[in-house]
Amino acid sequence: GEEVAQTPKHLVRGEGQKAKLYCAPIKGHSYVFWYQQVLKNEFKFLISFQNENVFDETGMPKERFSAKCLPNSPCSLEIQATKLEDSAVYFCASSQYDMVASSYEQYFGPGTRLTVT
Amino acid sequence: TQLLEQSPQFLSIQEGENLTVYCNSSSVFSSLQWYRQEPGEGPVLLVTVVTGGEVKKLKRLTFQFGDARKDSSLHITAAQPGDTGLYLCAGPPSGTYKYIFGTGTRLKVLA
Repeated sequence: GEEVAQTPKHLVRGEGQKAKLYCAPIKGHSYVFWYQQVLKNEFKFLISFQNENVFDETGMPKERFSAKCLPNSPCSLEIQATKLEDSAVYFCASSQYDMVASSYEQYFGPGTRLTVT
Repeated sequence: TQLLEQSPQFLSIQEGENLTVYCNSSSVFSSLQWYRQEPGEGPVLLVTVVTGGEVKKLKRLTFQFGDARKDSSLHITAAQPGDTGLYLCAGPPSGTYKYIFGTGTRLKVLA
């Protein structure tokens, strides 16, 4: 598609429950990025993929967070045993690497608001 | 730590005023992007600057990349209420594939 799609739009989980978020990148984009926006300004990088391979996972809290991008399926971000501090808006972005600009111009989805109660 | 500091953090101005938002780092960046995020939505890409000293204009918005590629600025002329939002700079530090977001500037333009 021409837009990044994220589902669901809202997700409410009790503390300790699992949460799974989905992202369909723009068709033809090779890179997918996941971010967590807790306070309304700050974007925290979680993980990125180049096609189905993990590109950079230095932002992932590995003990409870996992992510996948499998061929012909939406990418997913899963949080096992959610905690109150996981409440945030999770954004997915897709990109193609521009070698001239050495940049990833990122196109963002609308986000998934996760509320852990 | 490769940080992108934005200033000011918050800005509230009257319609018609001019403003400048700054994005600064001690690191060199390969390029910088500017995004605007409106409430309840994801950030939207405004521009990419690549070359040191580059200036790009998008209607009333003027973007500049510092000569040393360590800083950038966004200048808005005659601000309008539709310019209200969170402005973010972001980019990859030179020699890395990381993508760093700035600390954000929240702009409110009052009618």
